[in-house]
Amino acid sequence: QKEVEQNSGPLSVPEGAIASLNCTYSDRGSQSFFWYRQYSGKSPELIMFIYSNGDKEDGRFTAQLNKASQYVSLLIRDSQPSDSATYLCASNFGNEKLTFGTGTRLTIIP
Amino acid sequence: GAVVSQHPSRVICKSGTSVKIECRSLDFQATTMFWYRQFPKKSLMLMATSNEGSKATYEQGVEKDKFLINHASLTLSTLTVTSAHPEDSSFYICSAPRPLSGSETQYFGPGTRLLVL
Repeated sequence: QKEVEQNSGPLSVPEGAIASLNCTYSDRGSQSFFWYRQYSGKSPELIMFIYSNGDKEDGRFTAQLNKASQYVSLLIRDSQPSDSATYLCASNFGNEKLTFGTGTRLTIIP
Repeated sequence: GAVVSQHPSRVICKSGTSVKIECRSLDFQATTMFWYRQFPKKSLMLMATSNEGSKATYEQGVEKDKFLINHASLTLSTLTVTSAHPEDSSFYICSAPRPLSGSETQYFGPGTRLLVL
C-alpha cells in the first residue's frame, strides 16, 4: 500500500527563520513528488514538484529528494506570516492518482 | 492564472435534492480528472477518478450511485451529489493533471463548498 507520512504539526517558526517540512513515502516506485500549500478554506495550490535526487530551488523554496532514504522535504527561507498554511506532500507514479500525506500545519510567528 | 475552474463555488440546498458541480480544465485537455472531498480540519479524501470516454473509478467506500460522475468532454467533468443529506456537506475539490516540465502535475480547482440543510 502506498503511503505518504507527514508530521501533522503544528510547526511554529519565527518570522525570517527557515521552516523545514519533511515527508517520507513507502512506494519505491514513486516517480514524482509534489508540495502543495493549502490556506484555510481554500483548495491546494502547487508550490513545487521534484523528481530527481537532490535539491531544487525556486525563490524562497527548496525541495529536497532522497530516493534511497525515501524522503522528500521542503525548506522555506526567510519565512513570512503569509507562509502560514497547511503543507501537503504528495507522490505519484506516472499519471496515476496522487497519494497525499495528511499535511503539516505551519505557523509563522511575527 | 487558474488552470482549473469549478462551478459553483458555494451551494446551499435542501435535504433530498441533487446538486451538480462542474470542473473544467482551462486551455488544456484532461482525459482524467479527480474528485476529492475535505471535511473541516481533515485531510483531502480522494473520492473518484473521472475518465473521459469510460466509467469513473470510485475509491473504496464511496457510493457510485450517490456521487454520479460524468466526464462529458476533454475539458469538463461533473460530479452530481444525488439526494443530498446534511452529512454530505463538505468542501468538494477537483483536480486535473497537466504536463509541466516533463511531469504530470495535478492542478486543483478552487473548490465547491456544499451545505445541505
